Amino acid sequence: DTGVSQDPRHKITKRGQNVTFRCDPISEHNRLYWYRQTLGQGPEFLTYFQNEAQLEKSRLLSDRFSAERPKGSFSTLEIQRTEQGDSAMYLCASVSPPDTQYFGPGTRLTVL
Amino acid sequence: TQLLEQSPQFLSIQEGENLTVYCNSSSVFSSLQWYRQEPGEGPVLLVTVVTGGEVKKLKRLTFQFGDARKDSSLHITAAQPGDTGLYLCCGSGNTGKLIFGQGTTLQVKP
Repeated sequence: DTGVSQDPRHKITKRGQNVTFRCDPISEHNRLYWYRQTLGQGPEFLTYFQNEAQLEKSRLLSDRFSAERPKGSFSTLEIQRTEQGDSAMYLCASVSPPDTQYFGPGTRLTVL
Repeated sequence: TQLLEQSPQFLSIQEGENLTVYCNSSSVFSSLQWYRQEPGEGPVLLVTVVTGGEVKKLKRLTFQFGDARKDSSLHITAAQPGDTGLYLCCGSGNTGKLIFGQGTTLQVKP
């Protein structure tokens, strides 16, 4: 399968714990996006990478959130000291020119 | 700030009816995509429109990009229960950021 993969698919954690999600994009795509989505709403932009460079971060991305894309391949999104409001679906998209996004299946986070 | 306003947010219709979903902005987008998403899955691309005035057809779905590249519409003819899902428009902004509308939840009843 050469699509976008995300791991884990589901994560349940207790408030205050740290969580890390991984996204493996399509190999030849140099742009990668992270989004957060709540039920019935459109995805909200969090951040994006052009190769290994993080080019833009949303104001939604508090200091508890950090994303990396070492070597311009896979990316990780870490949330520290999780809060109940962090519960959502976290989506990763790999982009082919000009702007066609291929989404992974998402990681559903539940913070208890 | 570039925004995409999508309407309606919810639509519940009977099988066989036609419907149109709108995606509007005061900003110009270099391209616009439409996605369909099912519960628990990531969005799946339906179409990309690039040229102002462009019309693309995908079976019973017709997509149009406004002449000024500020708006788009999705028209579904003779809707079927399998069309049920969340429809999302997404535009490419002037900083490379991709911006989504709020989504339209469509329910087609048999």
